[in-house]
Amino acid sequence: DQQVKQNSPSLSVQEGRISILNCDYTNSMFDYFLWYKKYPAEGPTFLISISSIKDKNEDGRFTVFLNKSAKHLSLHIVPSQPGDSAVYFCAARGMDSNYQLIWGAGTKLIIKP
Amino acid sequence: KAGVTQTPRYLIKTRGQQVTLSCSPISGHRSVSWYQQTPGQGLQFLFEYFSETQRNKGNFPGRFSGRQFSNSRSEMNVSTLELGDSALYLCASSISTGANYGYTFGSGTRLTVV
Repeated sequence: DQQVKQNSPSLSVQEGRISILNCDYTNSMFDYFLWYKKYPAEGPTFLISISSIKDKNEDGRFTVFLNKSAKHLSLHIVPSQPGDSAVYFCAARGMDSNYQLIWGAGTKLIIKP
Repeated sequence: KAGVTQTPRYLIKTRGQQVTLSCSPISGHRSVSWYQQTPGQGLQFLFEYFSETQRNKGNFPGRFSGRQFSNSRSEMNVSTLELGDSALYLCASSISTGANYGYTFGSGTRLTVV
């Protein structure tokens, strides 16, 4: 039973355009959501997070939107750059699971020149 | 400051053997979490240690075990290896448990079971 789902295994976007990565969740007890980015042969690195009491958080080119009623969050990257090509993981922290992080399967983002 | 160090980077083992992976967290970080990453499965949580105590455990069989030492370094052991254990094993450290975003990952240990 996947509590955090990233339904798109991959996404291809033209350089300079907007990249939108999506994540759906099922557990209402998640209180914090995070996005991590992973390059091949490296560990994931933290990108941006959002608390469940907010609906938007912005950091430079990266914005995360949270729609609690739809149990959906998205990561927007504007403008997309070649260095953004990586696997993006969505993770959620569960208040009912000792604040353990539950991870999505990841979306591979490819930025085309 | 030094990041999270995982050793070895690559490992090839035979089915039935056992293996021990090591993780040295960032200095001052007391929480260490272990994850298994396989293609298409994302990061599967194995366990978390904080101050030498296992705080959280994922849904893995008892063949997977770990421990944490007084200097916060952690080891993960897998006994009676199976082909399906082939994966990238990632360690993440944090200042404290339940941190909002302060997880720093190591580069992982790539385990191949043949």
